[in-house]
Amino acid sequence: DQQVKQNSPSLSVQEGRISILNCDYTNSMFDYFLWYKKYPAEGPTFLISISSIKDKNEDGRFTVFLNKSAKHLSLHIVPSQPGDSAVYFCAANAGGTSYGKLTFGQGTILTVHP
Amino acid sequence: KAGVTQTPRYLIKTRGQQVTLSCSPISGHRSVSWYQQTPGQGLQFLFEYFSETQRNKGNFPGRFSGRQFSNSRSEMNVSTLELGDSALYLCASSPGVGGGSEQYFGPGTRLTVT
Repeated sequence: DQQVKQNSPSLSVQEGRISILNCDYTNSMFDYFLWYKKYPAEGPTFLISISSIKDKNEDGRFTVFLNKSAKHLSLHIVPSQPGDSAVYFCAANAGGTSYGKLTFGQGTILTVHP
Repeated sequence: KAGVTQTPRYLIKTRGQQVTLSCSPISGHRSVSWYQQTPGQGLQFLFEYFSETQRNKGNFPGRFSGRQFSNSRSEMNVSTLELGDSALYLCASSPGVGGGSEQYFGPGTRLTVT
């Protein structure tokens, strides 16, 4: 039972354009969502997060949008840069006693072409 | 602050053996979570320790165990290794209380079982 799904295994965009990565979830108990970036042979790097009480959070070039009714979140990267090429994972947490447990999607490989 | 460190970085073991992996969290962080990453299953939660107590546990067999010490350092142990245990094992630390659920990952230990 995959509770967090990233349906696009890969995404290719041109440098300077917008990258939009999508994520869907099924568990209504999730109340905190995170995006991580991962390079090969390294651990995931935290990018940005959003609480379920918000619908948008921005940090520089990164914006995360949350649509609770659709159980959908997305990460927008504007403008995209070649250094953004990596695997992107969305993750969710149910809070409370599940504070330390993240449920991850399968990841989306982003390639930004110069 | 120094990041999360994991030792060893690479390990080769034989089926049936046991292995112990170590994780040192970011200074001040009291929660340590462990994850297994494989090509087929993605990133899966193993367990989380907070203040020397296991607070959350994933769906892994009892061969996978862990502990946390008073300085928040954590170890995980896998007994009777199977070929399917070959994976990247990641540990992540977080403050453990308050705020969001952001976790900060180490570089991982690549375990190969032959």
